[in-house]
Amino acid sequence: EAQVTQNPRYLITVTGKKLTVTCSQNMNHEYMSWYRQDPGLGLRQIYYSMNVEVTDKGDVPEGYKVSRKEKRNFPLILESPSPNQTSLYFCASSLRAEGHIGGYTFGSGTRLTVV
Amino acid sequence: SQKIEQNSEALNIQEGKTATLTCNYTNYSPAYLQWYRQDPGRGPVFLLLIRENEKEKRKERLKVTFDTTLKQSLFHITASQPADSATYLCALDITGYNQGGKLIFGQGTELSVKP
Repeated sequence: EAQVTQNPRYLITVTGKKLTVTCSQNMNHEYMSWYRQDPGLGLRQIYYSMNVEVTDKGDVPEGYKVSRKEKRNFPLILESPSPNQTSLYFCASSLRAEGHIGGYTFGSGTRLTVV
Repeated sequence: SQKIEQNSEALNIQEGKTATLTCNYTNYSPAYLQWYRQDPGRGPVFLLLIRENEKEKRKERLKVTFDTTLKQSLFHITASQPADSATYLCALDITGYNQGGKLIFGQGTELSVKP
């Protein structure tokens, strides 16, 4: 089944303790992206990647890092989480090739709480 | 400032009627526009994509129009059913087909279809 898999689904952590949220897709998509969703603010893009070793900032990149060493994986790293990073996080992937753009496939989400 | 606006009020309609949702934007020239459905606590699900040079797109009971002069997209669900109840998001790609991947989402419109 074509899908984007995020782990974990739920995570409670303490301020300052480094964490990684994993994201993997099995569709051979070039494009991957991370979003956070907060009440009243909607979905906001954190980082995106057009292909392996190519990443760029979205609208709210502060406090986050990403890497794209393999096409299928795009982990989100919080080096020193803070309570304002408590949110629902989504990873997404999409086919983007010359003359062809696909819709985004989203993961099931990771609900992160930083205390 | 750059903005995407969707009906902020929830839309309540009777089963069998046509639901029409609006997406207006300012200061963007998107290459294409997408519509997604999101159920509570779940990731958005891609519905339709329409390009800047297309006026209308259909898929089963769904229809999307895109007016780049008015900077507006309309999303229609005909013969609506209670199972169509969800939040519907519009999203603009503002960087073009082969450049970046900056997908900006509206805050969504909640649709409720009553039996």
